[in-house]
Amino acid sequence: DQQVKQNSPSLSVQEGRISILNCDYTNSMFDYFLWYKKYPAEGPTFLISISSIKDKNEDGRFTVFLNKSAKHLSLHIVPSQPGDSAVYFCAASASGTYKYIFGTGTRLKVLA
Amino acid sequence: DTAVSQTPKYLVTQMGNDKSIKCEQNLGHDTMYWYKQDSKKFLKIMFSYNNKELIINETVPNRFSPKSPDKAHLNLHINSLELGDSAVYFCASSQNSGGAKETQYFGPGTRLLVL
Repeated sequence: DQQVKQNSPSLSVQEGRISILNCDYTNSMFDYFLWYKKYPAEGPTFLISISSIKDKNEDGRFTVFLNKSAKHLSLHIVPSQPGDSAVYFCAASASGTYKYIFGTGTRLKVLA
Repeated sequence: DTAVSQTPKYLVTQMGNDKSIKCEQNLGHDTMYWYKQDSKKFLKIMFSYNNKELIINETVPNRFSPKSPDKAHLNLHINSLELGDSAVYFCASSQNSGGAKETQYFGPGTRLLVL
């Protein structure tokens, strides 16, 4: 029962272009969403989050969009840089719980 | 001055052995977690402790026993290791009560291989 899905296991983008990573969820109780970035042999590091009362949150080159009706969120990276090459995990949580549910990740490769 | 540290980083052991993984955080956080990332890359919560009290205990075999001697440490002891326990185990911490909107900070992971 995969409540958070990242259907694209990998994505390649040219440096300077936009990277769009997608995430779908099934549980309508989720009201907080996060993106984590993970380099090889390291733990995930927090990137950006969004509450369900918003539909967009921006932090520098990173923007997360939330479409509640479609149960879909996306992470936009503009412009993409080679250092952005990593695995990106989407996670979701519901108020009253103490845990995140993670997707399986999308490996982003930014080509120089 | 690593925020969340885990030891060991790599662990190779035989089936049937008992092993422990240690986690320490120096962030002053109240809540700590253990996650397992399996071969399919699913990152799943196993346990969570808030101020040394267990608050999450997912469906995990009772061969896995977490222990929190103080709120800066959360260790994971695994008895009678099985092949299926091979995975990467991540420790994490968050500031307050572990609520759904708290950012979690992860350690570098412990790669366990059971032969």
